[in-house]
Amino acid sequence: GAGVSQSPRYKVAKRGQDVALRCDPISGHVSLFWYQQALGQGPEFLTYFQNEAQLDKSGLPSDRFFAERPEGSVSTLKIQRTQQEDSAVYLCASSLAQTGTGYTFGSGTRLTVV
Amino acid sequence: DQQVKQNSPSLSVQEGRISILNCDYTNSMFDYFLWYKKYPAEGPTFLISISSIKDKNEDGRFTVFLNKSAKHLSLHIVPSQPGDSAVYFCAASPMDSSYKLIFGSGTRLLVRP
Repeated sequence: GAGVSQSPRYKVAKRGQDVALRCDPISGHVSLFWYQQALGQGPEFLTYFQNEAQLDKSGLPSDRFFAERPEGSVSTLKIQRTQQEDSAVYLCASSLAQTGTGYTFGSGTRLTVV
Repeated sequence: DQQVKQNSPSLSVQEGRISILNCDYTNSMFDYFLWYKKYPAEGPTFLISISSIKDKNEDGRFTVFLNKSAKHLSLHIVPSQPGDSAVYFCAASPMDSSYKLIFGSGTRLLVRP
């Protein structure tokens, strides 16, 4: 596709629910990243994939957060037993390169936990 | 602790004048710096970058200056245009994990017509 596509754009979840956020990267981009952006803050790194391999998951805040990219293309970020502090915009980015340059971000999924 | 800091949450300038956005960092292992621009309800878009071996990079109306000794960088926009009104994020990439970006908290720029 022309850009990075994320769905849904908005998600409201009741506390304790599980959610799944989807990211369709730009075709051919080997690197995929997830970031979390809390209100009034900059994006914070969550995890990095190179093709299907998750090379860094050091930014995932707890074991309730899980990301996968089984075929090296579409990725899903799953949050189990959501809590209010999980409310944020979740941004996905993809890149041809393995470096921090050349990222293309999607528009994000705004998650609100009530 | 914030490794990348943007101490001005907002900035307002007149159209045609210069906008100067500032960013400070604490980690001397950062070797690449980037500026991103973000409009509401959109993802950040890349604007301009600079390697730590340089002190200036220019692209049209946008210039980024890097002062390594002061651990400070700035983005100059001249002349400023109303379409430049957005949130600007400074980001840095660590040498040992160059795929990762560490972002500041952003500066909201308003360019008044």
